[in-house]
Amino acid sequence: EIVLTQSPGTLSLSPGERATLSCRASQSLSRSYLAWHQQKPGQAPRLLIYGASSRAPGIPDTFSGSGSGTDFTLTISRLEPEDFAVYYCHQYDSLPITFGQGTRLEIK
Amino acid sequence: QVQLQESGPGLVKPSETLSLTCTVSGGSIGNHYWSWIRQPPGKGLEWIGYFFDSGRTDYNPSLKSRAAISADTSKNQLSLKLHFVTAADTAIYYCISPSLTWGQGMLVTVSS
Repeated sequence: EIVLTQSPGTLSLSPGERATLSCRASQSLSRSYLAWHQQKPGQAPRLLIYGASSRAPGIPDTFSGSGSGTDFTLTISRLEPEDFAVYYCHQYDSLPITFGQGTRLEIK
Repeated sequence: QVQLQESGPGLVKPSETLSLTCTVSGGSIGNHYWSWIRQPPGKGLEWIGYFFDSGRTDYNPSLKSRAAISADTSKNQLSLKLHFVTAADTAIYYCISPSLTWGQGMLVTVSS
């Protein structure tokens, strides 16, 4: 099973700042089938990034994904108030499909 | 754009079977992989398993063969059964499309 470790656990930033979230896989994702999801309180998760770097439809270009192999990054170039939420990485490269434990992005 | 809606009983007794349905609109269930994911209250996400249009299924080994996923292509519905439930199975259950679109989720509580 591929274990995904997200860091930091909590990230405290101010609107307008840049956020960098990390996701490290215990084994290489040979096809870079890595996604990022955003979840706000009381809501279902929402896909942001798939295939490590492709933005889902309707996702603003302030969100970008990068990485390959075992190290992946989600970057939010300039934080808006609505971006404060929990972010999960998710590998669908091999079975069983697994998720990271989440990074909570909170307002400083 | 595809939309997914989970439905089923919100309360199940311990040792019984949890049964949920995911109704798909705006897309055909007869393509690719359709998954069930769950999230215990206040916790992270866990993959339960998926159904592939050939009828193939795969499950998370952590569920120890308690899960069964099937599909009714005539109704465009995906189903989940989870047998012998305990309180640890209390969670929000989501279905998710091949394009990683999420349903709104269904809270299922296991309690007598």
